[in-house]
Amino acid sequence: DAKTTQPPSMDCAEGRAANLPCNHSTISGNEYVYWYRQIHSQGPQYIIHGLKNNETNEMASLIITEDRKSSTLILPHATLRDTAVYYCIVKDGNAGNMLTFGGGTRLMVKP
Amino acid sequence: ETGVTQSPTHLIKTRGQQVTLRCSSQSGHNTVSWYQQALGQGPQFIFQYYREEENGRGNFPPRFSGLQFPNYSSELNVNALELDDSALYLCASSFRLAGLNEQFFGPGTRLTVL
Repeated sequence: DAKTTQPPSMDCAEGRAANLPCNHSTISGNEYVYWYRQIHSQGPQYIIHGLKNNETNEMASLIITEDRKSSTLILPHATLRDTAVYYCIVKDGNAGNMLTFGGGTRLMVKP
Repeated sequence: ETGVTQSPTHLIKTRGQQVTLRCSSQSGHNTVSWYQQALGQGPQFIFQYYREEENGRGNFPPRFSGLQFPNYSSELNVNALELDDSALYLCASSFRLAGLNEQFFGPGTRLTVL
């Protein structure tokens, strides 16, 4: 079972920041938070991951609370092409490659 | 650098038949994982292969089996197909077995079982 809870859907205006929340209250010390997204009819795409510090790359920023029980993925300037299902995944950094996907958040970016 | 490719893109089978799906890993990757994604749900892990051996399996029956070849390409075989096997089958490759590596997914094979 997925260890994360996400809202099933969210809307965002084009050009605005999209903030996608994720609850992972049972996360353990060696588990990382990963984000993937799946655009319609494509395979999932890696976005970012982090342990406890905030992370930023060319796609997004990841903000993890100090107690690590929740996180927020931020797309700073959402475009129509960011419309997708976003999955928040908790994974042991020392374990294999298995990813446990939950239901994700369906983000709709509107003009 | 070529990405992960899968074939065929779509497939229709009937109950009881057998199917083989194929995946070519991204260049330099030695680990491949397979996932099943039913309509409207997140992908579910089937198994992964590392250096031609199964290394980790999800909650799927033995009629789901796989192979990884020396060039790191892979096959997923499903015997005695059931209606519930209708799904998008995804493969993902990475360059090592464990750790913090990201996985690269292919576009998937859409299997319909009638």
